[in-house]
Amino acid sequence: GAGVSQSPSNKVTEKGKDVELRCDPISGHTALYWYRQSLGQGLEFLIYFQGNSAPDKSGLPSDRFSAERTGGSVSTLTIQRTQQEDSAVYLCASSRSGRTRVTQYFGPGTRLLVL
Amino acid sequence: DQQVKQNSPSLSVQEGRISILNCDYTNSMFDYFLWYKKYPAEGPTFLISISSIKDKNEDGRFTVFLNKSAKHLSLHIVPSQPGDSAVYFCAASKGGGADGLTFGKGTHLIIQP
Repeated sequence: GAGVSQSPSNKVTEKGKDVELRCDPISGHTALYWYRQSLGQGLEFLIYFQGNSAPDKSGLPSDRFSAERTGGSVSTLTIQRTQQEDSAVYLCASSRSGRTRVTQYFGPGTRLLVL
Repeated sequence: DQQVKQNSPSLSVQEGRISILNCDYTNSMFDYFLWYKKYPAEGPTFLISISSIKDKNEDGRFTVFLNKSAKHLSLHIVPSQPGDSAVYFCAASKGGGADGLTFGKGTHLIIQP
């Protein structure tokens, strides 16, 4: 079956512009996660959605970052007034449920470059 | 403060030999640990995991060992194959894998022929 898909695969934007990144999770997966990987760093957790529960936003680095998940499926990560330090690979993952011992499956990522 | 540390940025191993990748953590609340493998321009792929109630988990050529008292885990790959060349990330969870994972910076494993 299809894995996690993300779009666009690459995005170049100018400092100060807003960007939207999209994630399509694996069908039937109720949990969805956003991470980012800056150059030379590990993956940094940003936000987590589980079903209809309020998202865990504890990893969002600033109020310029927001995410929503419509209909319990597709998610959009929005970065407002982008800064150069926002340049990174943004990765989305999904898992079958929010129960324990689950495996998170990752998409290929969106490479964001802020000039 | 980095809660999951992979102190070796890279590791070179001869094909057929054992590869040992190490990971240390500081948060005693972590109860589930995972290893992911990442090729360039792809997302991380799940490899193997271990619960904090176990000290070893084996899957084919891959074995993960957990030493809770030392807050240390390691991934053993035997025998190492050329396709194993990738970046390996150690990750930890406080919620059995259901919450956001905390990742190390990764170790780039190079398998030499």
